[in-house]
Amino acid sequence: AQRVTQPEKLLSVFKGAPVELKCNYSYSGSPELFWYVQYSRQRLQLLLRHISRESIKGFTADLNKGETSFHLKKPFAQEEDSAMYYCALSRHGGSQGNLIFGKGTKLSVKP
Amino acid sequence: DAGVIQSPRHEVTEMGQEVTLRCKPISGHDYLFWYRQTMMRGLELLIYFNNNVPIDDSGMPEDRFSAKMPNASFSTLKIQPSEPRDSAVYFCAGQGDGTGELFFGEGSRLTVL
Repeated sequence: AQRVTQPEKLLSVFKGAPVELKCNYSYSGSPELFWYVQYSRQRLQLLLRHISRESIKGFTADLNKGETSFHLKKPFAQEEDSAMYYCALSRHGGSQGNLIFGKGTKLSVKP
Repeated sequence: DAGVIQSPRHEVTEMGQEVTLRCKPISGHDYLFWYRQTMMRGLELLIYFNNNVPIDDSGMPEDRFSAKMPNASFSTLKIQPSEPRDSAVYFCAGQGDGTGELFFGEGSRLTVL
């Protein structure tokens, strides 16, 4: 069965510290993975996708098929990074957008 | 473009009442998704449409839930009768620019007393 696991409900770090939000997936096919973010009082929005291999707001995520992981990383956390982060897996290829979401990790960056 | 528009933003109702949530997707997006968000279960896909046709409603929890998309610019999610365990934030999202990105509405927060 397809599944996305985010083991941490809450992650609290100090400003300037490195941050890693964990995501593991279970999928028999070739996965397409995304990170979505929801800032306070804002809509859920796409942060990055593994296909693009991009860095957004200093965040990167590498797909590790051997470990079935797609952890989100940032070397120096900022207070404005505080938000809810969701890892998501596309079951039918990204163009159809049928995503399975993890339960989310709330990141709190303290001054 | 104002993005995906959902209404109402907040709804408080009593158990047994009918609830109708509405969504206006971004023009041109041919996929529309309804998600439910709770603390316990996170974001769950309820149903999605392609070109106004329901494709997968396996996530709809019970027969009390129904969704329609009469045209490309409007969709509804109805709960009848509502129960306290239906309390959640319901999101509508659209997709169709070829990138796979979902564009979410601001959500409708439902509280059933």
